[in-house]
This record gives sequence, C-alpha cells and structure tokens, in this order.
Amino acid sequence: QKEVEQNSGPLSVPEGAIASLNCTYSDRGSQSFFWYRQYSGKSPELIMSIYSNGDKEDGRFTAQLNKASQYVSLLIRDSQPSDSATYLCAVNLQVKTIFGAGTRLFVKA
Amino acid sequence: EPEVTQTPSHQVTQMGQEVILRCVPISNHLYFYWYRQILGQKVEFLVSFYNNEISEKSEIFDDQFSVERPDGSNFTLKIRSTKLEDSAMYFCASSDNPYSNQPQHFGDGTRLSIL
Repeated sequence: QKEVEQNSGPLSVPEGAIASLNCTYSDRGSQSFFWYRQYSGKSPELIMSIYSNGDKEDGRFTAQLNKASQYVSLLIRDSQPSDSATYLCAVNLQVKTIFGAGTRLFVKA
Repeated sequence: EPEVTQTPSHQVTQMGQEVILRCVPISNHLYFYWYRQILGQKVEFLVSFYNNEISEKSEIFDDQFSVERPDGSNFTLKIRSTKLEDSAMYFCASSDNPYSNQPQHFGDGTRLSIL
C-alpha cells in the first residue's frame, strides 16, 4: 500500500512566525512531490512542486526533499492569517497522485 | 490562466439513481483524472485517463463507475445506482505530461449529495 503520511495537526503558529509542515512517503519510486493548500470546502491549490533533493524556494515558501529519508517538508515564512488552511502533501506515481490526509495550519493574528 | 471547470457545483440525487459529473480540462492537457474527497477525509485517487483509455484506476473505481471523453472538450464521470456513501466532493484534474513531473491542476469540484 503506497502511503503518504502527514501529522494531522492542528499546527498553530503566531502571525509572522515560521510554519513547518512535514510529510513522509512509502514508495521509493516516487519522482515528483507537491504541496497543495486546501481551504475548507474548496479544491486543492498547488503551491509548490519539487523533484530533486534539496531546497526549493518560492516567495515565502520553501520545499525540502530528502529522497533517502523519503521525507518532504514545507516551510512558510512570515506566516499570515490567510495561510490558515489544510496543507496536503502529494506524491506523483506517474499517472496518479497519492495525497496525504493533510495538516491543518492555524495562524493566529 | 487556463483552468479546469466542473459542472454542476452541487448535485443532489436520490439513492439508486445515476449521476454524471462533467469536467472541461485545460485545453492542451492530455491526461485527465478524477478524485473524490469524503467530508473530513483525504483526497482519494479514482481514475486516470489518457488517449481515450483508462491508464490506472483505484480499488474505489469499481463497476459502478465509468469515465468517458464524449467529445474534444468534456470528460465525464458516471456513477450508476448511487449509494449513500458516494456522497463526497468529486474533483477533476488534468495535466500535461505526468511522466515529466508536470503537476495536476484541479477544478473547483462537484459536491455530490445522495439522499
């Protein structure tokens, strides 16, 4: 069973702090990794993708990938109340994407 | 920016009835997908579709479900003889080429309520 595991949270951080979200996956053949943000009742919205070991930065977001440890993380710097959402880690297995259950993030003003 | 569109946004159906959920993928995308999300649970893969064929399907995608690309723009999910447990958000997605790590782009979803 190919799994993507995330801590369900909630993760609560004060406004302006760094939020750190983590994810592990079971299939070593996974090639591409994504972070989606999902507001309640809405569809997943792609915020970051990463394919190679190391860090990838885009604005306030940094994704980190360690294939040896089968670990993906997302850092959100200068967290804002509007960042409050569920963050879904997703792993591409060629023609399907496996999602984690998501981590709920609350950013307190 | 091009987007995936889904209709209807909310569908209410009596148990046992058939329902068709519709999607218009991004025009130059070649791979199409359906996912579902039961309230409070994770997004679950149902099926992927390429070149007028199913590429892969999950255990959830049993004989009750079927997909079709009836014309050059629409991609549909049909659920026959709906059950209460089919109540969920159904998301359509499309991508350019998943083998080159292209991400999937999601529509806004159809909320299916089975009564």
